[in-house]
Amino acid sequence: DTGVSQDPRHKITKRGQNVTFRCDPISEHNRLYWYRQTLGQGPEFLTYFQNEAQLEKSRLLSDRFSAERPKGSFSTLEIQRTEQGDSAMYLCASSLGAENEQYFGPGTRLTVT
Amino acid sequence: KQEVTQIPAALSVPEGENLVLNCSFTDSAIYNLQWFRQDPGKGLTSLLLIQSSQREQTSGRLNASLDKSSGRSTLYIAASQPGDSATYLCAVLRSNDYKLSFGAGTTVTVRA
Repeated sequence: DTGVSQDPRHKITKRGQNVTFRCDPISEHNRLYWYRQTLGQGPEFLTYFQNEAQLEKSRLLSDRFSAERPKGSFSTLEIQRTEQGDSAMYLCASSLGAENEQYFGPGTRLTVT
Repeated sequence: KQEVTQIPAALSVPEGENLVLNCSFTDSAIYNLQWFRQDPGKGLTSLLLIQSSQREQTSGRLNASLDKSSGRSTLYIAASQPGDSATYLCAVLRSNDYKLSFGAGTTVTVRA
């Protein structure tokens, strides 16, 4: 297995546009997490899935954000009506079980102009 | 609420010097602690994971210690090299909800 992958690696969009990111976890991992990281800060938890069920969403995740994990495999994170404050690195991680090590993908760098 | 602090925020050392990076956390109810490396504009690479029952973990030139009762962890990097230049992040896995809480990181520069 090649690890967690994310696509695209970079996205530049204009304010008000919608964007969608994809994450492919390590194949046998049942847990998938999304984090957001702004410059000079550590990643902050956004949401996570156990298999296909989205179990928790952070208050950081406004109504403009939605995440899915159909069939418990890959996940998508969509941001509608992007704002400049959405500019950040979006990181995906996966793990086998809640208490085990989380493996991170390379991230998607979003720039909203 | 779990707060994770890393001091110093930045560190510059000459090649060959040993590095000491500190991490502190406010709630000792953790399942494990991870140290990550992050290169500019890249994702996170896991370096070491210490379970809450362990006192230290070693991998090559890296050694991490954990004192859960005092809420502290230290990452030691022996004989630093320019390739060690990166940001190092620590994160604790909270035992009540299994979420990772991260520090803001220590940015290390190793001068040749």
